[in-house]
Amino acid sequence: NAGVTQTPKFQVLKTGQSMTLQCAQDMNHEYMSWYRQDPGMGLRLIHYSVGAGITDQGEVPNGYNVSRSTTEDFPLRLLSAAPSQTSVYFCASSYSTRQNTEAFFGQGTRLTVV
Amino acid sequence: RKEVEQDPGPFNVPEGATVAFNCTYSNSASQSFFWYRQDCRKEPKLLMSVYSSGNEDGRFTAQLNRASQYISLLIRDSKLSDSATYLCVVNTNAGKSTFGDGTTLTVKP
Repeated sequence: NAGVTQTPKFQVLKTGQSMTLQCAQDMNHEYMSWYRQDPGMGLRLIHYSVGAGITDQGEVPNGYNVSRSTTEDFPLRLLSAAPSQTSVYFCASSYSTRQNTEAFFGQGTRLTVV
Repeated sequence: RKEVEQDPGPFNVPEGATVAFNCTYSNSASQSFFWYRQDCRKEPKLLMSVYSSGNEDGRFTAQLNRASQYISLLIRDSKLSDSATYLCVVNTNAGKSTFGDGTTLTVKP
């Protein structure tokens, strides 16, 4: 069981470049989400999805787009990278948030925007 | 005010000590509560869910006070391997998880 797989693990972008962070889960989870974590801080929710075809904004959505065309995949797109988007990005999935269910996280993507 | 606030820490304790972390949340519609553990440069992993009646898992005890909107985590007989950052997480039924900033624990020999 692969769990939650994020790619790439590391990325350096120039200001203004775009890129997509990939996230896939093989647990048939309904709920998927993207977070960013800045040094010394907790995780902040960027976007989330409660099922295929449904996405919604989290706490810090500006500068990011998501789509959920399948249950398994939830890519995060940076439209025009800015230095303020330098962070560690985590993708997570869970069976449901309507119950006490565990969230499983990918290993993270360390993104630097120069 | 943040939706989920934790003790700022850091906590530096000797092996064998008992340490308690506190967390408060502001959204009264919150339904599910958790403690996650995050090791340096790693992803968070579930430590334990928090139930209204309180729950225990070995050396770890979690408690929830809905009236005060307060969650706690107690670690007894601290081990070196307990050194990590502990994240308080609160979920609403609308599907959103909110994390606290975490409290860092260092257990020293």
